[in-house]
Amino acid sequence: AQKITQTQPGMFVQEKEAVTLDCTYDTSDPSYGLFWYKQPSSGEMIFLIYQGSYDQQNATEGRYSLNFQKARKSANLVISASQLGDSAMYFCAMRGLQGGSEKLVFGKGTKLTVNP
Amino acid sequence: DARVTQTPRDKVTEMGQEVTMRCQPILGHNTVFWYRQTMMQGLELLAYFRNRAPLDDSGMPKDRFSAEMPDATLATLKIQPSEPRDSAVYFCASGRGGRTDTQYFGPGTRLTVL
Repeated sequence: AQKITQTQPGMFVQEKEAVTLDCTYDTSDPSYGLFWYKQPSSGEMIFLIYQGSYDQQNATEGRYSLNFQKARKSANLVISASQLGDSAMYFCAMRGLQGGSEKLVFGKGTKLTVNP
Repeated sequence: DARVTQTPRDKVTEMGQEVTMRCQPILGHNTVFWYRQTMMQGLELLAYFRNRAPLDDSGMPKDRFSAEMPDATLATLKIQPSEPRDSAVYFCASGRGGRTDTQYFGPGTRLTVL
């Protein structure tokens, strides 16, 4: 079984500053993928970034980077230079990569508010 | 910019009525997922298909829910009869399949059952 824990129900950050959203996971799968999605108030789920457990380097996509610490089972999302449009819910998710269901298991999410 | 489309975006219905939600996956994607989002349970997988064949529907209440893919461009999720506890946002997602596949979500259908 897989489990995602996001311990921060809400986070606040000043515009142009960096913010880290925490995600820890638990799995018995030897290889797995970690995903982050953004859900703005309009409701759609937007894919942000992916990290494979086998990747040697941390993933980056523009202002998003993933601080992956395999031994600690954490996959924190770092958003640099926050913008007002970054205000949204952020979900961490994972799936196993060796057989079994391809479903994504999601955390409860973190609500990020970017203040001007 | 290819996107998953879902209809309707909002649906209000009365208990006992049939509800049909539709999804058009991104062209070329052969894997379609149905998720449900509620405040209490968060996001949960209901079912998913590959090449129109169901692979996992273990998250779906079998007595009232059914999911199908009549063709490669259309996936449907039906609830009959609907109940107030079915009120949720239902997301469709699609992907190319494969071990590192990313799932791209549609805008969701917000269902309210009175």
